Amino acid sequence: AQSVTQLDSQVPVFEEAPVELRCNYSSSVSVYLFWYVQYPNQGLQLLLKYLSGSTLVESINGFEAEFNKSQTSFHLRKPSVHISDTAEYFCAVRSSGTYKYIFGTGTRLKVLA
Amino acid sequence: DADVTQTPRNRITKTGKRIMLECSQTKGHDRMYWYRQDPGLGLRLIYYSFDVKDINKGEISDGYSVSRQAQAKFSLSLESAIPNQTALYFCATSDGTGPTEAFFGQGTRLTVV
Repeated sequence: AQSVTQLDSQVPVFEEAPVELRCNYSSSVSVYLFWYVQYPNQGLQLLLKYLSGSTLVESINGFEAEFNKSQTSFHLRKPSVHISDTAEYFCAVRSSGTYKYIFGTGTRLKVLA
Repeated sequence: DADVTQTPRNRITKTGKRIMLECSQTKGHDRMYWYRQDPGLGLRLIYYSFDVKDINKGEISDGYSVSRQAQAKFSLSLESAIPNQTALYFCATSDGTGPTEAFFGQGTRLTVV
């Protein structure tokens, strides 16, 4: 069965500092991996995705994530955060051959001035 | 206009009442999903549908039912609402033709008093 673990429920970080949000998954088959962002009182928006190919994927607003098959991880990183990055971030997995998206419990990123 | 539209956006209902949450999409996707979001628990899958004739239970389907009225419409019903069904509910869609992400509506905030 698929599962996703986001170990950090809350991550406070100062503005312009780097951040890493951790995500580990469990699946017996190949996977597709996603990071979604949820701003206050809004729905979920796709931030970036790994489907195949290069293990390093980037978003348009400076986030990146690296698929590590041996460690079954897909950590999200940003070298310098902004106040506007304050949001909740969800990691999700979908195993190939299925159409169920399984989500982690989310990480609240709080960027401090 | 949003690609995935949920109505209502907010609803307060009384214990024991029947309530329906509606979702419609203009993306032409065949896969549709209902999730609920609770603080600290992330998103949990209630039901999903691959087409009008294919409805599947997710991990927390007890107390809920769904109807896929057309490819573009997928409604979630609470037959007899109870307070622990107070949550944020999301509808999502995905394209069944390949490995893609799920697209989310803006959510319905349901309060059962």
